[in-house]
Amino acid sequence: AQSVTQPDIHITVSEGASLELRCNYSYGATPYLFWYVQSPGQGLQLLLKYFSGDTLVQGIKGFEAEFKRSQSSFNLRKPSVHWSDAAEYFCAVGLSYDKVIFGPGTSLSVIP
Amino acid sequence: DAGVTQSPTHLIKTRGQQVTLRCSPKSGHDTVSWYQQALGQGPQFIFQYYEEEERQRGNFPDRFSGHQFPNYSSELNVNALLLGDSALYLCASSLQGNRVNQPQHFGDGTRLSIL
Repeated sequence: AQSVTQPDIHITVSEGASLELRCNYSYGATPYLFWYVQSPGQGLQLLLKYFSGDTLVQGIKGFEAEFKRSQSSFNLRKPSVHWSDAAEYFCAVGLSYDKVIFGPGTSLSVIP
Repeated sequence: DAGVTQSPTHLIKTRGQQVTLRCSPKSGHDTVSWYQQALGQGPQFIFQYYEEEERQRGNFPDRFSGHQFPNYSSELNVNALLLGDSALYLCASSLQGNRVNQPQHFGDGTRLSIL
């Protein structure tokens, strides 16, 4: 069965520090991969996606993610975190671009 | 260009009641998916509607049903509400067969509380 794990329930980083959020998946083939962000009381905003090609993908708000097939991972990174990045981050995988399985999420806190 | 809109924003019901949530897809989209997001968890896929039919369904009981109208808008109906149905219900829209595989767009959700 397909599954997505995000090992870190909550992460706290200082503003200006680098960030890496981990995501591992279990899937029969190379899936579509996504990272979404959710601010309190709001819906999901797509940060970036990977379908094929270059395994390092760039997204919005300065985020990037790297697909590593051998590790079944799709970790999200940002070189310098801003206070406005505090939110819930969800990794998602799917057989198609419009039906996905979400991970449990990682809550990011940013301290000044 | 309006994005995905959902109504109502918040809703309070009691156990055993029935509820209807509504979703208007992003302009140009023809497919609507519904997700349930319990507090502190990731969204879970309920079902997807395309051409007014349910195309795919997640692991949800028959108490959860839906409908899609000719204008592509959609409703999610939940019967015999349980306390465990309290959640944020998210609607997402997409366009079938688009050449660039545009991911779905999400609305801000309807917060359903069951007393």
